[in-house]
Amino acid sequence: AQSVTQPDIHITVSEGASLELRCNYSYGATPYLFWYVQSPGQGLQLLLKYFSGDTLVQGIKGFEAEFKRSQSSFNLRKPSVHWSDAAEYFCAVGVGNAGKSTFGDGTTLTVKP
Amino acid sequence: EAQVTQNPRYLITVTGKKLTVTCSQNMNHEYMSWYRQDPGLGLRQIYYSMNVEVTDKGDVPEGYKVSRKEKRNFPLILESPSPNQTSLYFCASSLWTGGSGANVLTFGAGSRLTVL
Repeated sequence: AQSVTQPDIHITVSEGASLELRCNYSYGATPYLFWYVQSPGQGLQLLLKYFSGDTLVQGIKGFEAEFKRSQSSFNLRKPSVHWSDAAEYFCAVGVGNAGKSTFGDGTTLTVKP
Repeated sequence: EAQVTQNPRYLITVTGKKLTVTCSQNMNHEYMSWYRQDPGLGLRQIYYSMNVEVTDKGDVPEGYKVSRKEKRNFPLILESPSPNQTSLYFCASSLWTGGSGANVLTFGAGSRLTVL
């Protein structure tokens, strides 16, 4: 069975600083990988996805993520964080035609002024 | 506007009183799914449906039922709710991309359920 680990429960960064949120997955084949963001009181919104091809993917709001097969990782990055980026971030793996998707436990991002 | 609509958004109920959380999408998506979100546990999949009359268990199906009689609707039924089902519930849908099988989920706003 697939699994997703987000090692950091909570991260605090200063506004304007760079950000990296870690995600490691376990799956026997090439996974479909996603990052979602959840603002307080809201549903989840897709930030970016990796299906195949270029291992560096660009998403909305200036986020990017890099798929590293050798490390089973899909870390999310942003070069300069804005106060509005404060939210909870979820990494997820989809398993194609099986229909199941698995989410990590989430990382809460706090942005200091 | 393309969206997934859940109702009710908030509900307080008592143990054993049957309830249904409705979910409807207007995007003609084949795939629909229910998740529950609990602190420190992320989102866990309850049930999913690949199309009308096709449903399957996710990781935490116990105590829940679903049905998919129409493409747009995927209600979650709690026949006899218990306090351990107090949670935030999300419905999601996606186009089912066939061969590639990858699904980008569109989520509803969530339904916060409290069972006393």
